[in-house]
Formats: sequence, structure tokens, C-alpha cells
Amino acid sequence: DTAVSQTPKYLVTQMGNDKSIKCEQNLGHDTMYWYKQDSKKFLKIMFSYNNKELIINETVPNRFSPKSPDKAHLNLHINSLELGDSAVYFCASSQIAGEFNEQFFGPGTRLTVL
Amino acid sequence: GIQVEQSPPDLILQEGANSTLRCNFSDSVNNLQWFHQNPWGQLINLFYIPSGTKQNGRLSATTVATERYSLLYISSSQTTDSGVYFCAVDNTGFQKLVFGTGTRLLVSP
Repeated sequence: DTAVSQTPKYLVTQMGNDKSIKCEQNLGHDTMYWYKQDSKKFLKIMFSYNNKELIINETVPNRFSPKSPDKAHLNLHINSLELGDSAVYFCASSQIAGEFNEQFFGPGTRLTVL
Repeated sequence: GIQVEQSPPDLILQEGANSTLRCNFSDSVNNLQWFHQNPWGQLINLFYIPSGTKQNGRLSATTVATERYSLLYISSSQTTDSGVYFCAVDNTGFQKLVFGTGTRLLVSP
């Protein structure tokens, strides 16, 4: 039933560690996204992939590396975690080809770096 | 880049009251969406409305693209309407949604 799913829902880790967040969509969309929501609730796009190809990269540090094994999955790997990476990360998907481009969001992953 | 401003930043209502939330944007858009972020953090799609008017139950939205604003109307508000309402727009054609800072709504019984 779930349209856009993310795992894990919560992630608590130490500074300097490497972690991954997984995202899957079953809507048949051709484009997937990662957004970051900071402690003030401000939402900002990080990346988007269309049919496994990177199309948006919003000056995100190199420590963040998205990977799309197929168009239904977009994972986010973060190296050398820093305190400032603590945030809620949302995955989203949409169909770019066509008239309606509504984006649908996953439930979010709350990352806490200690 | 495009600027998105939402007003008011905070709104407190009694249950049953009506309200209007506004979203102004600085350039023409090809996508505009309204979201409700509930107290559990989930982003719920309300409307996909780059232009025109739509209604869904107690909620309706109007976007006047030529004047670069959108309005979200909530009628007969309920406590479950509490949360943050975001407007998000794209003007690139690549679906790069730019979010406003949101309107925080609290509906008290």
C-alpha cells in the first residue's frame, strides 16, 4: 500500500560514522528526490534522479552520495557524519514526463548525530 | 532563485473557525503544491494547483498564476487540522520544489 517508503525511520549515530538511508517508491514514477528539513522546519531539495540519472545536485557536500540502482529506489549514503547533518531527510517521487508532476513524500528519516 | 513567502507565520483558531493562508512567489511557476505537515512529521499532499481552483472537502485552494499568489482556505477547522502548512513551487521545469517557510496552525477545542 505504501507509496513512498523510507528506512530507517530513526537513526542515531556518532560523529564520524558512515550511514545510509533507503527509499523505495511503488508509484511507477520516473523521478525521485531527497529533501532535508532542518531544526527550524525549513525544507530544501538536495538531489533528484530521473531514470537513474542525476539531474539536480544542490551544492550538497561530497560526503553525501545518492545512489539509484533502478528508478524505484534512491538511497542516500552519508560519510563522516557531522553534528550539522542532524535533520529529517525526506524522499519523494514524481512523474516528470506528462502533464501532472505532483510530488509525493515518504514518512521521513530523523537522523541524530551525537 | 525563486522566492516563496507564506503568511501568516502563525495562526491560532478555535474549532469551527475558517481561515485563509497565503503563498506569494516571485516568478511564474509550472508546479505549485500545498502540503500539511502533521504533528508526527508526515508531509501530506493537499493540492497540486499551478493554476485555477480546487476543492477537497473542507479545504479549497486557488492559484492566480498571473498575479503570483495562491490561497488555501480551511473551513470549519478541526483540531486535526493543526500542524504546519507549506506551499512549494517549481519554476525550472525539473520539479525542483522550493518551499516556503510555512504557516503553523493550532486549532484549539
